[in-house]
Amino acid sequence: QLQLQESGPGLVKPSEALSLTCTVSGGSISSTTYYWGWIRQPPGKGLEWIGSIYYSGSTYYNPSLKSRVTIFVDTSTNQFSLKLSSVSAADTAVYYCASQSSGWAGWFDSWGQGTLVTVSS
Amino acid sequence: QSVLTQPPSVSGAPGQRVTISCTGSSSNIGAGYDVHWYQQLPGTAPKLLIYGNRNRPSGVPDRFSGSKSGTSASLAITGLQAEDEADYYCQSYDSSQREVFGGGTKLTVL
Repeated sequence: QLQLQESGPGLVKPSEALSLTCTVSGGSISSTTYYWGWIRQPPGKGLEWIGSIYYSGSTYYNPSLKSRVTIFVDTSTNQFSLKLSSVSAADTAVYYCASQSSGWAGWFDSWGQGTLVTVSS
Repeated sequence: QSVLTQPPSVSGAPGQRVTISCTGSSSNIGAGYDVHWYQQLPGTAPKLLIYGNRNRPSGVPDRFSGSKSGTSASLAITGLQAEDEADYYCQSYDSSQREVFGGGTKLTVL
């Protein structure tokens, strides 16, 4: 059973970059079964997919965020990471990492507990 | 505004059956992409409920079922229980090369 855990700063200043890391345990991030995704949820609102990555480094991003998002994978540490640049208050949200089965168009089957990131000066 | 449309809320009494709709378009559900459903209990991460339109992961009660037709999908919950009170989200893929979620539906057990 995969377990995922997000880590990173809970407070980021406007215009700076948000960086989060997801540590995967109970399985290998190099598994051909999964993509690895980031999803966020603003307080009191719905889910928004940010982007996903394969262990090879292949990525696809939400077009609405693509200009500010980078997702990368480190197979040596079984981690994948999110960088979101030029943040504003609209980026305040709980950020989740998740495993994505069956590739693009697949389902998110294991989720981290989520981490709240607040954008404020 | 979400690409997939869900009713903001539904409700039902214990033991009853409720359905939650997820309406898309010809660029997502109607294009043949699968629909997946998640349950989010208050203060917790979403949990996979249905994948591939109608498949239940191990451990999900058979009271939960999914279906898909045309540009829409539905989640049905029978024998409603108090513990089912949660937010429910549908997810699919869009031809604009992105994963998309519905806006979510809050289920209230009366």
